[in-house]
Amino acid sequence: DVKVTQSSRYLVKRTGEKVFLECVQDMDHENMFWYRQDPGLGLRLIYFSYDVKMKEKGDIPEGYSVSREKKERFSLILESASTNQTSMYLCAISYGGGAHGYTFGSGTRLTVV
Amino acid sequence: GNSVTQMEGPVTLSEEAFLTINCTYTATGYPSLFWYVQYPGEGLQLLLKATKADDKGSNKGFEATYRKETTSFHLEKGSVQVSDSAVYFCALSQGAQKLVFGQGTRLTINP
Repeated sequence: DVKVTQSSRYLVKRTGEKVFLECVQDMDHENMFWYRQDPGLGLRLIYFSYDVKMKEKGDIPEGYSVSREKKERFSLILESASTNQTSMYLCAISYGGGAHGYTFGSGTRLTVV
Repeated sequence: GNSVTQMEGPVTLSEEAFLTINCTYTATGYPSLFWYVQYPGEGLQLLLKATKADDKGSNKGFEATYRKETTSFHLEKGSVQVSDSAVYFCALSQGAQKLVFGQGTRLTINP
């Protein structure tokens, strides 16, 4: 089974800090996604990537950027963290076309103080 | 655009009760439909899926049937257990492989 690893389970950062959230997969899948999860709002897509050095904006990209220099790693960057970016961040990969769904990492709970 | 609407939670049931969590969707064409489950402190896990009309997805005693005529994919289980306590998400994907999620339904099962 494919494994998706997020580097941190819990992070606490200060307002204005630059924050990096890392996601690594152990297979050769092209499609990687970053979501944030908030109570009552479900999961909202921030950015996604279908290949190395490729990125596409999702539904809520404001305040975020991404980097994909290698196929197995997809990083989410908060250029200047703000308190409204306190959330659970989930990385996912998809394979075999949309009909197979996603495999998710365990999530990173980020608190910005 | 595509969207998914789930019944609002939280839902609280006693052990061995019958469970239904409603899910309806809006999409053109024929999306694939999914239920994901999130146990406390964990990421999302695929519970079941259906890729065409009238398909029934099933896993761990849970079932859902893809109903094109009512644009629904309701999750059911005949006898819930305390270990089923979790947050459940309905989702669809179409074309570009992006998943669109419902808002989630928190389920608590009391012994």
